[in-house]
Amino acid sequence: GESVGLHLPTLSVQEGDNSIINCAYSNSASDYFIWYKQESGKGPQFIIDIRSNMDKRQGQRVTVLLNKTVKHLSLQIAATQPGDSAVYFCADPTGTASKLTFGTGTRLQVTL
Amino acid sequence: DAGITQSPRHKVTETGTPVTLRCHQTENHRYMYWYRQDPGHGLRLIHYSYGVKDTDKGEVSDGYSVSRSKTEDFLLTLESATSSQTSVYFCAISPGQGTNIQYFGAGTRLSVL
Repeated sequence: GESVGLHLPTLSVQEGDNSIINCAYSNSASDYFIWYKQESGKGPQFIIDIRSNMDKRQGQRVTVLLNKTVKHLSLQIAATQPGDSAVYFCADPTGTASKLTFGTGTRLQVTL
Repeated sequence: DAGITQSPRHKVTETGTPVTLRCHQTENHRYMYWYRQDPGHGLRLIHYSYGVKDTDKGEVSDGYSVSRSKTEDFLLTLESATSSQTSVYFCAISPGQGTNIQYFGAGTRLSVL
């Protein structure tokens, strides 16, 4: 069945470095993806989204890249800060009610 | 948390007791969702609603029921709580109409002893 999964359950980066969080998907018909950030004790927070007619989308310090050929997307965070420490999920809405399928997440740890 | 209030935020209950969690929104969004989050499983959809009195099951709906009598409120009921329902429960809302983004509440931590 369709799934959205994440590589590497934990990613440790030094403050100021760039972070890259990867996500693979299996449904070639998926045409829209959303990235969420979840800080400890809080609900997931929307970061950025991308549609399949785009290869790249940029936000504030974040960039999402989509490679439809290999069904892979990545979230890049520039100049990682301690406040970026969180679990990051990619999600794939399906159906008319936009039900989200989440992976288990990647925990980003920022070291000083 | 995008005009979403979940109550209670924490609850401890005993096996076999009924439990109702409430999600209240002030955004007038059409869609509302209940998820549970467990270690190693990410977020899994329990039930969702696409309008007043219109609900449907998600992937882990067994043991749960929902009701939506008003646009702003979406209730999740555990008729007879079990220890396997110990989890963190999140409500989410979405406007629909071409917008797929869901906005999440702060969560309810439920412990069933």
